[in-house]
Amino acid sequence: KQEVTQIPAALSVPEGENLVLNCSFTDSAIYNLQWFRQDPGKGLTSLLLIQSSQREQTSGRLNASLDKSSGRSTLYIAASQPGDSATYLCAGGSYSGAGSYQLTFGKGTKLSVIP
Amino acid sequence: DTGVSQDPRHKITKRGQNVTFRCDPISEHNRLYWYRQTLGQGPEFLTYFQNEAQLEKSRLLSDRFSAERPKGSFSTLEIQRTEQGDSAMYLCASSLDLYEQYFGPGTRLTVT
Repeated sequence: KQEVTQIPAALSVPEGENLVLNCSFTDSAIYNLQWFRQDPGKGLTSLLLIQSSQREQTSGRLNASLDKSSGRSTLYIAASQPGDSATYLCAGGSYSGAGSYQLTFGKGTKLSVIP
Repeated sequence: DTGVSQDPRHKITKRGQNVTFRCDPISEHNRLYWYRQTLGQGPEFLTYFQNEAQLEKSRLLSDRFSAERPKGSFSTLEIQRTEQGDSAMYLCASSLDLYEQYFGPGTRLTVT
C-alpha cells in the first residue's frame, strides 16, 4: 500500500526566501506525482504533475523534482511571497490492487510567508 | 468551461438524516473521483468512475454511502443515516484519461 509522507508539517519563512518542501513515498511504482496547493477551507489547485518518465517540471517560480529510486519528490519555491501562504500537498498516482488509478496524498506542509 | 463544480458548498445536517452531494466534472473528462478530507489530513480516495462505470470503491465507503454517475456526466454521492464521523470535506476531481486530476471546491459536511 502506498504511503506518502511530507516533511515538515509546517514552515514559516520571511518574504523573498527560497524554500524546499519534501515528499517521500513508499511504493516506487508510481505513475505520476502531483503537487497541489490548498487554501483554508477550499479545494485543491493543481500546481505541477511529474510523470514517472520525467525528473522535473517547472512552472514560474515553482520547480518540482522526482526521484523514483529514492522515493522522493521536492517542490522548490523561489522568491517566496505572502500570497504563497497555503498548505501544499503531494500525491502519488498509482494503480490499486483492483486495477484503478488513484492518488495517495500526504498530510501536507503548511507554509506561512511572513511579509 | 470553468472547472469542476460541486453543490452544495456547505451542508449541516442532523445525525440520522440522508444527504446528497453533486459534482459536475470538466466537460469531456471521462474519469471522476470522490475523496474525503478530514481536518489536518490529506484527501483519501473513496470511489472512481470511468465514464458511467464505477470501477472501484474504497473500504472507507461503507454500505451507507452510494455514488452514481448516470450517462457519464455529473455524479452524486449519497450518505444515508449520517453519523458524526461523516463530518468532513468531500472533494470531487476529474481527469482526462491518466492526466492531471482537477479538483472542485468541495462540499463541507457537518453532522450535528
